[in-house]
Amino acid sequence: QSVLTQPPSASGTPGQRVTISCSGSSSNIGGNYVYWYQQVPGTAPKLLIYRDNQRPSGVPDRFSGSKSGTSASLAISGLRSEDEADYYCAAWDDSLSGVVFGGGTKLTVL
Amino acid sequence: EVQLVESGGGLVKPGGSLRLSCAASGFTFNSYSMNWVRRAPGKGLEWVSSIGSGSPTIYYTDSVKGRFTISRDNAKNSLYLQMNSLRAEDTAVYYCARALSTSWYDTWGQGTLVTVSS
Repeated sequence: QSVLTQPPSASGTPGQRVTISCSGSSSNIGGNYVYWYQQVPGTAPKLLIYRDNQRPSGVPDRFSGSKSGTSASLAISGLRSEDEADYYCAAWDDSLSGVVFGGGTKLTVL
Repeated sequence: EVQLVESGGGLVKPGGSLRLSCAASGFTFNSYSMNWVRRAPGKGLEWVSSIGSGSPTIYYTDSVKGRFTISRDNAKNSLYLQMNSLRAEDTAVYYCARALSTSWYDTWGQGTLVTVSS
């Protein structure tokens, strides 16, 4: 089991809004920034959100991040077929002295 | 262009060793913390190890402590991962990643596949 908990799958139709949750604890999400990564099969991961809710340049504003307490969420609005990928949350864990990733959520665009 | 290129992956028997390399270009390598992250077949991303920029602070995930060693050569703009006593569960694609802060990976390599099998 991963230290950060994500749903294994999510789906939506083109144009819809989907949300992916990431649940942790006070030693990781509760006390440190959350980051989100997108990985299309066969390619390297790509940074989507940094410091809970900031988008790197080049990432569409359809992607947004939020955090409350020990949980975080990634929202994707105006869903597009190219959004079909695996999504991961990540944070530093003070108790483990290491980086923890969520188990990943496979997003399917129907 | 900021770029990371991994090499050194391959097929190795259980108990064997392998050394991964990551060649960096397009940025001031010695100013950044560097990390190794892996993805095993059918599984998610897993952080493996990190090394600081200057006076290196090094961390490992528990499952590789005592078996893997991360190092860097700033003169050669290179990151390494020495992997000893390899196990089947170490089979994965290994990525090197540049870190702007802990967990903040803005640049990734294309990955190198390590397969541990008899």
